[in-house]
Amino acid sequence: QSVLTQPPSVSGAPGQRVTISCTGSSSNIGATYDVHWYQQLPGTAPKLLIFVNNNRPSGVPDRFSGSKSGTSASLAITGLQAEDEADYYCQSYDSSLNGYVFGTGTKVTVL
Amino acid sequence: EVQLLESGGGLVQPGGSLRLSCEVSGFTFSRYAMRWVRQAPGKGLEWVSVISESDSSTNYVDSVKGRFTISRDNSKNMLYLQMNSLRAEDTAVYYCAKDRRYSDYGYYSDSWGQGTLVTVSS
Repeated sequence: QSVLTQPPSVSGAPGQRVTISCTGSSSNIGATYDVHWYQQLPGTAPKLLIFVNNNRPSGVPDRFSGSKSGTSASLAITGLQAEDEADYYCQSYDSSLNGYVFGTGTKVTVL
Repeated sequence: EVQLLESGGGLVQPGGSLRLSCEVSGFTFSRYAMRWVRQAPGKGLEWVSVISESDSSTNYVDSVKGRFTISRDNSKNMLYLQMNSLRAEDTAVYYCAKDRRYSDYGYYSDSWGQGTLVTVSS
């Protein structure tokens, strides 16, 4: 089981703002290890969405933003669009496990 | 254009072995760490292993330590995952990914392959 906990699902109407939490502990996010976010569209490979807490790769719309505080991180999607329907995963490093960990994943549904 | 192409997946019996390959192009392979990530059917992502740019450092998730070996051939632009003593719980799509390293423990994957399915079943 993952040490990074995300809500199983979030939903919103087109144009709304949704947020996805990623809750860790003192051995990962709380230990100042950075958080990265990936988007996985149905039937496809994951894609980097946010790196080092709040940075967007080129080509990622500025509707996506990341933040980190204490033992948690968040991904926000503003102006929700139909093409944002996907699974989203956070990722960090865990010093207790001495390895990289992914969050449990969150399915975003556009109503 | 960065491309990563996995191969070698298939059906294998419990206790068997399989070698996955990942052929890369579009970037200087020897300058980047690489990782394997897997996804069991209907489940989330799980980091499996990472290898440094020069092959000098490797790391594994506890559940595959002693059974899986990651390696690379920088002269051939190839990444490998040798999987031995396979178990039913190893059944998953295996992705190779190109890593960007910015600190001792700071890695993120900026490019991914399309994945190859490994099924462990009798």
